[in-house]
Amino acid sequence: QKEVEQDPGPLSVPEGAIVSLNCTYSNSAFQYFMWYRQYSRKGPELLMYTYSSGNKEDGRFTAQVDKSSKYISLFIRDSQPSDSATYLCAMNGANNLFFGTGTRLTVIP
Amino acid sequence: EAGVAQSPRYKIIEKRQSVAFWCNPISGHATLYWYQQILGQGPKLLIQFQNNGVVDDSQLPKDRFSAERLKGVDSTLKIQPAKLEDSAVYLCASSLAGPYESQYFGPGTRLTVL
Repeated sequence: QKEVEQDPGPLSVPEGAIVSLNCTYSNSAFQYFMWYRQYSRKGPELLMYTYSSGNKEDGRFTAQVDKSSKYISLFIRDSQPSDSATYLCAMNGANNLFFGTGTRLTVIP
Repeated sequence: EAGVAQSPRYKIIEKRQSVAFWCNPISGHATLYWYQQILGQGPKLLIQFQNNGVVDDSQLPKDRFSAERLKGVDSTLKIQPAKLEDSAVYLCASSLAGPYESQYFGPGTRLTVL
């Protein structure tokens, strides 16, 4: 079983839609949860960083962590064509990050 | 603030050749990471340095891969000899302290092994 599972998509939505991206994980020791955005031919860019269960909001982005279910989500409101990218979830083990495979999102104008 | 710098951006080599990648982290960042990202997958950690010491290299194929971080700043990752399955993007990242700090990634080096 992989440490982190993420649906690779691809996911296509119309502009203005609400997007929901999700990851599940198996290791209950994970404490820090991140979402990275990766544009084509670029390195990942940190989008959201959360610790413990609950919600964290930053503009149009909301990160949600449910430790009891080992499930994290990223919601994007009022999606824009500029949001088209691959979204990677990541979480901290003892010394390093474990990444999901990434979900490729396309927002259609 | 300058970001993480990597070079070269692209490299094409034949199998059994050697190749080296260079990374310059964000100034003041103690921790440096090298990741391998195969197409369609998330980054996989190869090696993590804290200053110039190795913290974790458990997933580094040590028979062909080597890395060093002299003086606790720049780092190089070398592959010798390269195999076809080494074709990937090699990402360097840095963080202020340990892995619980936010990691900042460079643009990566795209390696193609023919």
